[in-house]
Amino acid sequence: AQSVTQPDIHITVSEGASLELRCNYSYGATPYLFWYVQSPGQGLQLLLKYFSGDTLVQGIKGFEAEFKRSQSSFNLRKPSVHWSDAAEYFCAVAYTGGGNKLTFGTGTQLKVEL
Amino acid sequence: GAVVSQHPSWVICKSGTSVKIECRSLDFQATTMFWYRQFPKQSLMLMATSNEGSKATYEQGVEKDKFLINHASLTLSTLTVTSAHPEDSSFYICSASRARGDTQYFGPGTRLTVL
Repeated sequence: AQSVTQPDIHITVSEGASLELRCNYSYGATPYLFWYVQSPGQGLQLLLKYFSGDTLVQGIKGFEAEFKRSQSSFNLRKPSVHWSDAAEYFCAVAYTGGGNKLTFGTGTQLKVEL
Repeated sequence: GAVVSQHPSWVICKSGTSVKIECRSLDFQATTMFWYRQFPKQSLMLMATSNEGSKATYEQGVEKDKFLINHASLTLSTLTVTSAHPEDSSFYICSASRARGDTQYFGPGTRLTVL
């Protein structure tokens, strides 16, 4: 069965600093990969997704992620963090033939210091 | 576009009662809807997948007689927690997708507290 690991439970960055959130997956073939953000009182919002093609994916709110097959990773990056980016971030994976059932990582709580 | 709503946003009930949670896709037709459960400070765990007009498919370990799921139309799915107990207290989140294999769009969640 596929699994998703987000090694960092909490991350604190200063506003304006760069950000990288790590995500590793375990799956035999190339999965579909997603990053979602969850803010208090709001539903999960899709930041970006990777299905195939260019391994560097651009998303909303200035986020990007890079799929690295050799490392089984799909790390999320942002060059300059804004205070409004403080939230919980989830990496998720779906696999072909699975009917787009998502398996989520445990999440990374991002805190932004002003 | 692709807005999903849930109602209620929070509910408190007594132990032994049943609670129904609605999930609606507001601006698209959802062939498939998913129900998740999220414990505090934890990830989302898929409970079941429902396809319009057919029975839901439950994940291993989820009691289908306790968590009744109905997907009667392309815009509405309901989750009924029957004979709720304090251990059922959780955050329940639904998602909807236009078609099998399509992106899931998530609702804001429902906080259930069973006293």
